[in-house]
Amino acid sequence: SQTIHQWPATLVQPVGSPLSLECTVEGTSNPNLYWYRQAAGRGLQLLFYSVGIGQISSEVPQNLSASRPQDRQFILSSKKLLLSDSGFYLCAWIHRGRIPYGYTFGSGTRLTVV
Amino acid sequence: GENVEQHPSTLSVQEGDSAVIKCTYSDSASNYFPWYKQELGKRPQLIIDIRSNVGEKKDQRIAVTLNKTAKHFSLHITETQPEDSAVYFCAADLKTSYDKVIFGPGTSLSVIP
Repeated sequence: SQTIHQWPATLVQPVGSPLSLECTVEGTSNPNLYWYRQAAGRGLQLLFYSVGIGQISSEVPQNLSASRPQDRQFILSSKKLLLSDSGFYLCAWIHRGRIPYGYTFGSGTRLTVV
Repeated sequence: GENVEQHPSTLSVQEGDSAVIKCTYSDSASNYFPWYKQELGKRPQLIIDIRSNVGEKKDQRIAVTLNKTAKHFSLHITETQPEDSAVYFCAADLKTSYDKVIFGPGTSLSVIP
């Protein structure tokens, strides 16, 4: 069966420090992968999506970046964190052709920038 | 542009009553409409979905209806229970080249015992 792993679960980082969040998917190949951010008490904001290795598209300009070095690995990074980067970061995947087409989300990373 | 509106933003019901959440979408090309439930501190989880060729779908106490002409869709929860308390997100899948999903802003449902 397909599973999605995301880590770390929680993270407290000082302003100006770097960030690396990792997401991996098991049990499938060639998934579409997504990074979402959810501010406290707010909705889901799409940050990046990837349809294949090395293919990254950004939805919102910001100081974050994403990379997909392997088919089932998706990484969210920042060189220098801002206070506004705090939030709940969710990785999600979808397998094109799978019915239904709903996302499966990872367990999330709660990031607090102090 | 692409947009999904959702109402109400908060909803409080007595246990056993019904709850209804309504959404509208802007892009007529949307053809798949999932609903997600997010409990406090947890990930959103898909609870039910509907495709554009279907007007209604039911799964035990939850049902979704779709009016494609009016671009409205709704979630109905009957016989609500305290464990139904959560934030509910409606969404529309635009079926672009990368399966873009637009989420509504969410409805915080509280079921009072």
